[in-house]
Order: sequence, then structure tokens, then C-alpha cells
Amino acid sequence: GQSLEQPSEVTAVEGAIVQINCTYQTSGFYGLSWYQQHDGGAPTFLSYNALDGLEETGRFSSFLSRSDSYGYLLLQELQMKDSASYFCALKRSYNTDKLIFGTGTRLQVFP
Amino acid sequence: EAGVTQFPSHSVIEKGQTVTLRCDPISGHDNLYWYRRVMGKEIKFLLHFVKESKQDESGMPNNRFLAERTGGTYSTLKVQPAELEDSGVYFCASGGQGGEQYFGPGTRLTVT
Repeated sequence: GQSLEQPSEVTAVEGAIVQINCTYQTSGFYGLSWYQQHDGGAPTFLSYNALDGLEETGRFSSFLSRSDSYGYLLLQELQMKDSASYFCALKRSYNTDKLIFGTGTRLQVFP
Repeated sequence: EAGVTQFPSHSVIEKGQTVTLRCDPISGHDNLYWYRRVMGKEIKFLLHFVKESKQDESGMPNNRFLAERTGGTYSTLKVQPAELEDSGVYFCASGGQGGEQYFGPGTRLTVT
């Protein structure tokens, strides 16, 4: 089977940098996505890594190491509106678009 | 461009009743997915349509769940008869290339 582990909760202050880790176990790997979900809202796509290394999109960056079965989402210059849940999600192969989600990390940003 | 829409936003039904959830994907998206999140747990895949065909229904929990996508546009997910453990938030998503899926706001289903 597959599993993705994330810390359940992370706290930080405005303007800080926070890293949310995701470790996974899977028999097949094609890519790792990150989604943000505010309470009561829809999961929103943030980033995708298919190859090792860092992908930067504005204040958010995502990193992948396939050899370590590990990725992280880096949020810089934190704002109050970044308080939300963050999920990593695995795409196992080219032939399937099915996403396998991690347990989710609740980020609380304090002033 | 309109996003993924879902109806209803909330549904409260009694055990044994039937509920039908609807999803309208982004116009032109052939790929449509259903997921659900049961309280406190991760978002889990239910099934995937490509146009009107079921590409992958490996996540459907049992035969009380029936999904359709007639004409390859909107999709419905029927639960009949509903059980207590079916309570949760049901998400629909469309798109799919490169791991990017566009999610709807979800339908919160409560079975009492």
C-alpha cells in the first residue's frame, strides 16, 4: 500500500519561514503535489514535483528527494491568511491521476 | 472561468435514506474525480472518470455508492441506502495533468 506522513500541526509567527515535511512509502512514484485547504473550503493546488529538487512559486517552494522518499513545502514571509491545512499528495504512475493524500498539517500563524 | 461547483453544500439525512450529490467540473475538463474526507482522516480517492467512462473506481467503498457521468459533463454520486459511516465531506475535482486537480468546495454529508 501507500502512506504519507506529515506533522499534525505547525505554528509560526507572521513574517517567519516554516517547513512542512512529508515522508512517503509507496510501490510506485510519479510525482508529489501540495494542496492548501482553509476551513470549510476546497483544497487548492500549490505545487508539484516530479523530479528531485526545489520548485519555487512566489512565497511557496516545494522540494522533493525521491531517493529519501521525502518532500517538503516551504512557506516564506508568512501571513495570517496562510493559516490553513496543508496536504501532500502522491501520484503513483503516469497511467493514473488518482491522488493519495497525506494526513494533513494544520498551520497556525500568529501575529 | 467558473470553477468546479458542487451541490448541495450540505445534506443531512437519516440512515437508510438516499442522497445524490452533484458535481459540475470546469468546462472542457475530461477528467473528473470524486474524493471524500471522513472526520479527522485524510482525503481519500473514490473514483475517476475520463469523459463518461469510469477510468478507476478502486476507491468506491461498496455497492451502496453509484457514480455516473452521462454525456461526459456533470457527475452524480448516489449513496443508497446511507449509513452512519458515510458521513463526511465529498469533494469533486477536475483536470488532472501534472498532478494538478481543481477541487470543488465539497458537499458535507451528515447521516443521522
